[in-house]
Amino acid sequence: KQEVTQIPAALSVPEGENLVLNCSFTDSAIYNLQWFRQDPGKGLTSLLLIQSSQREQTSGRLNASLDKSSGRSTLYIAASQPGDSATYLCAVTRNTGRRALTFGSGTRLQVQP
Amino acid sequence: NAGVTQTPKFQVLKTGQSMTLQCAQDMNHNSMYWYRQDPGMGLRLIYYSASEGTTDKGEVPNGYNVSRLNKREFSLRLESAAPSQTSVYFCASSAQNYGYTFGSGTRLTVV
Repeated sequence: KQEVTQIPAALSVPEGENLVLNCSFTDSAIYNLQWFRQDPGKGLTSLLLIQSSQREQTSGRLNASLDKSSGRSTLYIAASQPGDSATYLCAVTRNTGRRALTFGSGTRLQVQP
Repeated sequence: NAGVTQTPKFQVLKTGQSMTLQCAQDMNHNSMYWYRQDPGMGLRLIYYSASEGTTDKGEVPNGYNVSRLNKREFSLRLESAAPSQTSVYFCASSAQNYGYTFGSGTRLTVV
């Protein structure tokens, strides 16, 4: 059974810092990996999608990497801003059968002004 | 705007009552999903539908039924609500190589 772990569970940083969120998964046979953002009381917003054949994806100040063989992904946020404060979720899909997402429990980020 | 639309946004039920959560997507995605989100448990798959006319159980299907009415719509029904079904419910859709799109969620409280 696929298990997804996110470390740290919570993180507080001053504005302007660069930071890294970690995600690990136990089964490397994945189809893709997706990072989401969730604001309190809101739905999930997709940030980045990495296909299993890709090593990284970038969108603005966000960069996500994927090392499938070691079962790891990182989300790098450059020059953090208070508006980045949210919970960040990592999720993977299998490469066979049901393509449902398996989620990590998230990293709650607080960026202090 | 294209996306996934869920109704209602909030609902309070008494134990034993029934209700249906509605979900519709306008992105022509084949696959649709229902998840629940609980504190400390993360997001867990209830049911999914790989294509129109097919449905299958996920991780936590007990107490729920689903209907894939057509390609756009996927509903979740609680036949006899229980306090343990108090949760936030999310509908999602996906297409190959395009990742997942989530609705804004339904906050359900069963008293």
